[in-house]
Amino acid sequence: AQKVTQAQTEISVVEKEDVTLDCVYETRDTTYYLFWYKQPPSGELVFLIRRNSFDEQNEISGRYSWNFQKSTSSFNFTITASQVVDSAVYFCALSERVLGGNTPLVFGKGTRLSVIA
Amino acid sequence: DTEVTQTPKHLVMGMTNKKSLKCEQHMGHRAMYWYKQKAKKPPELMFVYSYEKLSINESVPSRFSPECPNSSLLNLHLHALQPEDSALYLCASSQQISRNNEQFFGPGTRLTVL
Repeated sequence: AQKVTQAQTEISVVEKEDVTLDCVYETRDTTYYLFWYKQPPSGELVFLIRRNSFDEQNEISGRYSWNFQKSTSSFNFTITASQVVDSAVYFCALSERVLGGNTPLVFGKGTRLSVIA
Repeated sequence: DTEVTQTPKHLVMGMTNKKSLKCEQHMGHRAMYWYKQKAKKPPELMFVYSYEKLSINESVPSRFSPECPNSSLLNLHLHALQPEDSALYLCASSQQISRNNEQFFGPGTRLTVL
């Protein structure tokens, strides 16, 4: 069975601090996909990144970076020099590749990030 | 156009009302989804449509009735809802369910059942 754990329920940081959001997943499949989504107070989920299980390269996009480590089943997300606009709930999600398609997204419980000016 | 739109943004209805939520995308996506999200919880999948056919129904009560009139539109018909059905209803779309492309979400409809 798939499972995604985001152990940090809420995090508060002061603007310009770096912050890392943890995501640990469980899956029995060798082919799977990991995602991060951002949900600001407006409610819309904004896609941030997708990573497949065969690509362990870390990725950087502006102030955002992701560290994928299969050895520890983790897919952590770091925001560098945080800004107030980064305040949101961040969800990590997992989908497995199965015959005929993919399983639906399984979301973690989310981490609420508050960036204080 | 990389947008998923949803109407209405807010909806208040009584338990005897019938209402519909609408979702639209013009990205050529062939998979569309309905999620329900309660406060401080992650989204929960309700339905998946693939090429306008219902592909997944996550044991959703029959008072929720999805409809996919064409590849760009997805409706959720509501009837005889309960107060516990109050939630944010999110629509999403992706290229195809078979390729695990990222899902693009709409802003949601915040539903209150009195």
